[in-house]
Amino acid sequence: QVQLVQSGAEVKKPGASVKVSCKASGYTFTGYYMHWVRQAPGQGLEWMGWINPNSGGTNYAQKFQGRVTMTRDTSISTAYMELSRLRSDDTAVYYCARGQQWLVTEYFQHWGQGTLVTVSS
Amino acid sequence: QSVLTQPPSVSGAPGQRVTISCTGSSSNIGAGYDVHWYQQLPGTAPKLLIYGNSNRPSGVPDRFSGSKSGTSASLAITGLQAEDEADYYCQSYDSSLSEVFGGGTKLTVL
Repeated sequence: QVQLVQSGAEVKKPGASVKVSCKASGYTFTGYYMHWVRQAPGQGLEWMGWINPNSGGTNYAQKFQGRVTMTRDTSISTAYMELSRLRSDDTAVYYCARGQQWLVTEYFQHWGQGTLVTVSS
Repeated sequence: QSVLTQPPSVSGAPGQRVTISCTGSSSNIGAGYDVHWYQQLPGTAPKLLIYGNSNRPSGVPDRFSGSKSGTSASLAITGLQAEDEADYYCQSYDSSLSEVFGGGTKLTVL
């Protein structure tokens, strides 16, 4: 069965960077885009971007361009999301989600358990 | 401000039918892009409920249904149950080359 297992909670100071991992199993890692979605406390879902694990190509939401970097290591079926220059409003649960192509868009049937990133001085 | 607009909350009594709307624009839903729906219980990751406007993944009860018309989409839940109390999100694609979510709707079962 498809599983996405994320790294543990992080506490960071403003201005620092955080790198969250998402280890995939139960399917061919390079066959599906991996998306990252975040959710601030008490708020809704916010799409951050995707990485194509096969080519390494990425597409970031405009809001995060210049601050987010998505990478992957195909040898261990793991995707990474690094967010730099952290601010207090980056405090959120970060999810990885496997994309399933549907015409032009993708939907997310498989999600990681989420990683809480807290930004505080 | 979310690109897709949902009502902040809806409510209904057990057994009733409720609908949740998701309104977009000519750059997303109105451009013909399909809509997907998710249910999120407190403290858990979202769960896919509907994909491609009206398709249910295996295991999702047929009490849940979706539709789309023009620049809007709707999620309907019939035979409301206490376990349906959750947050619901719509998702689509925008011509700005990004996936977009609605702001979410909290469903309360009275």
